Amino acid sequence: GAGVSQTPSNKVTEKGKYVELRCDPISGHTALYWYRQSLGQGPEFLIYFQGTGAADDSGLPNDRFFAVRPEGSVSTLKIQRTERGDSAVYLCASSLFGDRNYEQYFGPGTRLTVT
Amino acid sequence: GQQVMQIPQYQHVQEGEDFTTYCNSSTTLSNIQWYKQRPGGHPVFLIQLVKSGEVKKQKRLTFQFGEAKKNSSLHITATQTTDVGTYFCAGLKAAGNKLTFGGGTRVLVKP
Repeated sequence: GAGVSQTPSNKVTEKGKYVELRCDPISGHTALYWYRQSLGQGPEFLIYFQGTGAADDSGLPNDRFFAVRPEGSVSTLKIQRTERGDSAVYLCASSLFGDRNYEQYFGPGTRLTVT
Repeated sequence: GQQVMQIPQYQHVQEGEDFTTYCNSSTTLSNIQWYKQRPGGHPVFLIQLVKSGEVKKQKRLTFQFGEAKKNSSLHITATQTTDVGTYFCAGLKAAGNKLTFGGGTRVLVKP
């Protein structure tokens, strides 16, 4: 079946602009995760959704970052007033349940470049 | 906060040789997962270890979880060019679903 999909694959924006990144998880997966990966680094946890609710948003770096998952499927990561330091690959992952023992399936990521 | 460190950062291996990469956590983990990321790709789940001292094998890959559940290792035998990529360990603490990834070991294979 289809894997996790993310759009756009690449996004170039100017400093100070607003961006939205979209994630379509695997159908039926209840848990959804957002990560940020900088060049040469491991993925850094941002937020975890169980269903529609954000169960853990402790990784969001500041209040410019916000994510929603209104119907428990598709999720959108929103970044306001983008800064050059926000440039990274934003990865989305989903797992069958929010149970801790389930593997996470990653999408291809959105490469965000802030100029 | 919790930190997960991986060594070495880079591993240059002659095709056919063996190597080991290590993962160390600053705190005791509930379980640990390993992922592989090919150049230009996204992380792909390899395995999860849950029990203290657990050892699991996948063909030429052997994964081990330390007795204290603070470290883990991945050993690859008879390295092949298909093993090229970055191997990440990711730890899960006793509470919550937050995976903390290490910095990865980048493996390059010399034919």
